Amino acid sequence: QQQVKQSPQSLIVQKGGISIINCAYENTAFDYFPWYQQFPGKGPALLIAIRPDVSEKKEGRFTISFNKSAKQFSLHIMDSQPGDSATYFCAASTGAAGNKLTFGGGTRVLVKP
Amino acid sequence: DAGVTQSPTHLIKTRGQQVTLRCSPKSGHDTVSWYQQALGQGPQFIFQYYEEEERQRGNFPDRFSGHQFPNYSSELNVNALLLGDSALYLCASSLLGAIYEQYFGPGTRLTVT
Repeated sequence: QQQVKQSPQSLIVQKGGISIINCAYENTAFDYFPWYQQFPGKGPALLIAIRPDVSEKKEGRFTISFNKSAKQFSLHIMDSQPGDSATYFCAASTGAAGNKLTFGGGTRVLVKP
Repeated sequence: DAGVTQSPTHLIKTRGQQVTLRCSPKSGHDTVSWYQQALGQGPQFIFQYYEEEERQRGNFPDRFSGHQFPNYSSELNVNALLLGDSALYLCASSLLGAIYEQYFGPGTRLTVT
């Protein structure tokens, strides 16, 4: 059962453009929504995370938007740079589940110079 | 401050063999989780260890077992290897008291032939 659905599977954006990745979840018990960035041959690195009590969180060029009623959240990468080319995963967890992370399928982002 | 470390980096095994993967958590962390990441997919939760005991387990067969040592390091053991066990195995550490933030190691690439 895929509890977190992520789209698109891949996207290409020009340098300076905006990358947008969307995720939808089913389990209303989820209370923590992190995004991870993964480069080839590396483990996922925590990028930014949000709790459902806020609708938006911004850290540098990365912004999470959260819509609790729609059970959706998204990652916006502003002013995309070639170094942002990586695979991005959304995830969700509950503290009650000991932070067992449920991941989306991933989005491969390519930023063209 | 050392992050999460894993060994070995790569491993090639034959069907039916057994394998042991190792993980040292980030300094100060007491909880270790293991994930399996098949090529092109998001990580899947295997199990989590705290105080040398398995706290919770994902949907993986009993061929997958683990252990946590008093210094919080951990091992993942897989018996009777199948071709489908070929994947990147990720270890993530966290602090039970700050349960939401998980930090991943670089992973061990297991190839079963």
